[in-house]
Amino acid sequence: DSGVTQTPKHLITATGQRVTLRCSPRSGDLSVYWYQQSLDQGLQFLIQYYNGEERAKGNILERFSAQQFPDLHSELNLSSLELGDSALYFCASSDLAGDTQYFGPGTRLTVL
Amino acid sequence: GESVGLHLPTLSVQEGDNSIINCAYSNSASDYFIWYKQESGKGPQFIIDIRSNMDKRQGQRVTVLLNKTVKHLSLQIAATQPGDSAVYFCAETSSGGSYIPTFGRGTSLIVHP
Repeated sequence: DSGVTQTPKHLITATGQRVTLRCSPRSGDLSVYWYQQSLDQGLQFLIQYYNGEERAKGNILERFSAQQFPDLHSELNLSSLELGDSALYFCASSDLAGDTQYFGPGTRLTVL
Repeated sequence: GESVGLHLPTLSVQEGDNSIINCAYSNSASDYFIWYKQESGKGPQFIIDIRSNMDKRQGQRVTVLLNKTVKHLSLQIAATQPGDSAVYFCAETSSGGSYIPTFGRGTSLIVHP
């Protein structure tokens, strides 16, 4: 158990809908990272937050957004969902040094 | 559980054998490398890391070797067990940036009892 929690574990929704994925980092970790993992793309970095502020952006679509709250949990919002958004979404957290990232169990999103 | 990749390189070994998983990285500025293990239906799990000022680092049953000259990383697993069956990813990152790692596609390790 990495100490990173994610909810929900599974999410099934329809095209055009909007969903919110939630992540709680390990106790004491200030950085939160979001990744998308699909069968054909591997693990793709989406966005990083550090202590509530956006720190780095990767291959995140404009339809996707995220935020980190004062209690350090983070939410990833996915809107206008398309079939191709079906994937595993992982959250990871790291300590102040920002080196090793510890991953949560992921949310499996299925868009029908 | 679900597969994390359809066309991953696969290494099949017998229980008790030693396994070697290889990874080539691309950025010569990368100075921190991590190996992750991902079991079916789970998130990547940290195994071992190494910094660029080292050539070798050992953990419990695992050893990581780093060859900066050819930008190559390997993970050696001693006395492989069925529970080691998983997809293994290497990741490279640079301490000069914001520690966003670049992940390899992964290698699927299958251990036969």
